[in-house]
Amino acid sequence: EAGVVQSPRYKIIEKKQPVAFWCNPISGHNTLYWYLQNLGQGPELLIRYENEEAVDDSQLPKDRFSAERLKGVDSTLKIQPAELGDSAVYLCASSSYRQGADTGELFFGEGSRLTVL
Amino acid sequence: AQKITQTQPGMFVQEKEAVTLDCTYDTSDPSYGLFWYKQPSSGEMIFLIYQGSYDQQNATEGRYSLNFQKARKSANLVISASQLGDSAMYFCAMSPKTGGFKTIFGAGTRLFVKA
Repeated sequence: EAGVVQSPRYKIIEKKQPVAFWCNPISGHNTLYWYLQNLGQGPELLIRYENEEAVDDSQLPKDRFSAERLKGVDSTLKIQPAELGDSAVYLCASSSYRQGADTGELFFGEGSRLTVL
Repeated sequence: AQKITQTQPGMFVQEKEAVTLDCTYDTSDPSYGLFWYKQPSSGEMIFLIYQGSYDQQNATEGRYSLNFQKARKSANLVISASQLGDSAMYFCAMSPKTGGFKTIFGAGTRLFVKA
């Protein structure tokens, strides 16, 4: 079974440029998460999808960040324009949510490391 | 509000010894799950162990066990017989079971295993 796939693994851009990250979750996982992880810190939730619906995006800076999961499968996270403080690792994770049947264990991709110069 | 607290930024342990990584949490949800994840220097997040809030027994997975004290809202990870490969960041996480799985993480503890 294929794991969570993210691309690109690394991205270096200049500030004010746009950037996009792509995530393909594990097949059959209806819940998809984007997390931001700063160096030496824990992941912080940006947005959570249940199928194609964004059910929790309260932590997403909507002035510059956007995300979509159009067909309830893969997802794209975009930053436009990028700022110096956006340098971090962007982690995608998926889980299978069936009430009473699943633990909520997250399966993570390898992450996309963004450096903004 | 839900919160995970890990008070140990760094821990050292001698190879083959046991070590306990602390985690306390706060939630108003009656049903929730507690998790520990390992993040080696390579960056991938690896699931280690899960404890449900209604589970009567502490969870164990090989050398990992979770010391769950519900009244104290603590979920400490115990690693027995530490190995050099255990050197990594360890994150405690919690997910309520109502309204879907919104998983939040603590700040992490960096474990160093000494030969």
